Amino acid sequence: DQQVKQNSPSLSVQEGRISILNCDYTNSMFDYFLWYKKYPAEGPTFLISISSIKDKNEDGRFTVFLNKSAKHLSLHIVPSQPGDSAVYFCAASFGGTSYGKLTFGQGTILTVHP
Amino acid sequence: DGGITQSPKYLFRKEGQNVTLSCEQNLNHDAMYWYRQDPGQGLRLIYYSQIVNDFQKGDIAEGYSVSREKKESFPLTVTSAQKNPTAFYLCASRKETGGMNTEAFFGQGTRLTVV
Repeated sequence: DQQVKQNSPSLSVQEGRISILNCDYTNSMFDYFLWYKKYPAEGPTFLISISSIKDKNEDGRFTVFLNKSAKHLSLHIVPSQPGDSAVYFCAASFGGTSYGKLTFGQGTILTVHP
Repeated sequence: DGGITQSPKYLFRKEGQNVTLSCEQNLNHDAMYWYRQDPGQGLRLIYYSQIVNDFQKGDIAEGYSVSREKKESFPLTVTSAQKNPTAFYLCASRKETGGMNTEAFFGQGTRLTVV
C-alpha cells in the first residue's frame, strides 16, 4: 500500500521556466510534509517542508503548496536552473505512536535544459 | 563538522554471509532510521529508533537487524535471510522535539552488492 505517490517518473523543463513536481498521499493522518533533492550515489538533502496547518511555504526559489482536501502537495521551482537537475522525493510523517517515521514517494527525475 | 557518517561507501558480500553497515551521527539527534533504495524506486523504511535501546520495524524489516546501544550509533546488519540484499542503503537522523516536526538528515549511503 503506497501511501505517498509521485505519479510522474520524470519532468523536463527549460532553464528559467517553472518546474512543478506533484505528490499525492492517501493517509489523512499525515500532518507534516517534506521535499528532498537527491543526486545519484548520494544521500538526499532537505529542501523545504510544510505543516498541515499551512497551505503554502516559500523559501527562495522553492515553494510548496498543500491541498489537504485533495491530499495533494506540489513543489514549484522558479526559475529553474540546470543545477536543479536531480531526483526529487516527497515525504510525509505524522505524530502519535508512529511519530518520526517518514514515508517517501517513488521520486521524480527533474531535468533542466540550458 | 556535524553530520552523519555511513561506512563503508561500497560493500561486497558473498551469498550466505551477514554484513553490518555502520551509521554514526554527532548531531545529538534522538531518532535514527535506515532506508533502502532500489533502482527506480523510492526510499523504503527498514528500521527506526526514537531512543537508545529501543527500535521499531519499518515496512521491509525481514532479513535485517539493528541495535541502538548508543545515541550516536545505529548499525544495520543484513543477514543471510534477506533474499535480495543488493541495494543502496541510507541512514538518517532526526531531532525529536516533543511533538514538533523536524526534517531528517541523511548520510551519503552505502552501496551493497552481493557477489
